[in-house]
Amino acid sequence: NAGVTQTPKFQVLKTGQSMTLQCAQDMNHEYMSWYRQDPGMGLRLIHYSVGAGITDQGEVPNGYNVSRSTTEDFPLRLLSAAPSQTSVYFCASSFRTGLGGSPNTGELFFGEGSRLTVL
Amino acid sequence: RKEVEQDPGPFNVPEGATVAFNCTYSNSASQSFFWYRQDCRKEPKLLMSVYSSGNEDGRFTAQLNRASQYISLLIRDSKLSDSATYLCVVRMNTGFQKLVFGTGTRLLVSP
Repeated sequence: NAGVTQTPKFQVLKTGQSMTLQCAQDMNHEYMSWYRQDPGMGLRLIHYSVGAGITDQGEVPNGYNVSRSTTEDFPLRLLSAAPSQTSVYFCASSFRTGLGGSPNTGELFFGEGSRLTVL
Repeated sequence: RKEVEQDPGPFNVPEGATVAFNCTYSNSASQSFFWYRQDCRKEPKLLMSVYSSGNEDGRFTAQLNRASQYISLLIRDSKLSDSATYLCVVRMNTGFQKLVFGTGTRLLVSP
């Protein structure tokens, strides 16, 4: 199994450009999410999805869009890149968490990360 | 105040040493607790869950103190390969049970 696959690993954008970070998982996980990691800030949740066709905002959703047309894929779109979006982005998946109160381990499986620089 | 706070370190220890990290959380609605490990420029990976009674996994021991709202991780007989950043993670018992990540404590184990 490949686990969680993210592409690209590195990207440089100019302010105002748009792009899509791709994320795919082959573990049939219901839950997928995008985080950004910045120095001194910890991982912050951007958007998440608890299943195909269902998405919701996390802590820092502004400037980003997501969609979940299949269980496997969860792309993150930057609409108009800004220097403040320079960060390392991680896609993560797990068995369903939270909703319905079903017990779970809380284990997130992360992709290898995408380093984005916006000039 | 941050929801999850950790000493950023770095903690510099020699091989074979015992080292402990603490993490404090501010929200008493916190339900579950975890330690993740993140190697330099890599993705985080679950190290262990933290149970109320405390739990051990080989050289690693995790403790939870709900009254004082802190979690600890003890590493015995440190190895060079333990060098990494250790992230404290808390899951809230509110609505969507989001995971809140601490900023991490960096450990450097030297020969």
